[in-house]
Amino acid sequence: GAGVSQSPRYKVAKRGQDVALRCDPISGHVSLFWYQQALGQGPEFLTYFQNEAQLDKSGLPSDRFFAERPEGSVSTLKIQRTQQEDSAVYLCASSPMLGRSGEAFFGQGTRLTVV
Amino acid sequence: RKEVEQDPGPFNVPEGATVAFNCTYSNSASQSFFWYRQDCRKEPKLLMSVYSSGNEDGRFTAQLNRASQYISLLIRDSKLSDSATYLCVVNMGMDSSYKLIFGSGTRLLVRP
Repeated sequence: GAGVSQSPRYKVAKRGQDVALRCDPISGHVSLFWYQQALGQGPEFLTYFQNEAQLDKSGLPSDRFFAERPEGSVSTLKIQRTQQEDSAVYLCASSPMLGRSGEAFFGQGTRLTVV
Repeated sequence: RKEVEQDPGPFNVPEGATVAFNCTYSNSASQSFFWYRQDCRKEPKLLMSVYSSGNEDGRFTAQLNRASQYISLLIRDSKLSDSATYLCVVNMGMDSSYKLIFGSGTRLLVRP
């Protein structure tokens, strides 16, 4: 497809379960971002990749969160030992640009519910 | 204090009205600024970039005041289809890094 693709679209996890969320960015896009969006809030920055390099992971809320992009294309966000407060929509975005400008294109997100 | 702050609204206006949203940001070194639009249960989409000299795209005008660290979005002749949440976005990355920080969004409801 032409856009950013995320899977699964919906995920229900039992508390304590590990989950993996996948992002397929637009082909050729250098920059990739992960965001967490709670209901009624704006997207909160989690992490940023430039190709395979994770340049900023300052937004990851705890060491239970881990993101990778080993070949500079597909990215996975992994959450270990999920907690109820992890329930949110996880958005992935990609951009063809390096640095200071350029549009970020978002996927439709993965809605994670931890029960 | 949040890095990017917006009035959450909602702003409830009649069709044809002019409405303005404001946003403040904390990092004076920020270099690029955007307004995104997000419809209910959809992903954010770029509405427009914000340039230092101000810029206009049809009914939408964006302005930047670096001295006050303030960004605005003006919508003229509001349409029903403008109803959405408007997100102020600031790139707070350093050098070649890219750290788009979103405000919490301002909700707009345009009524017939």
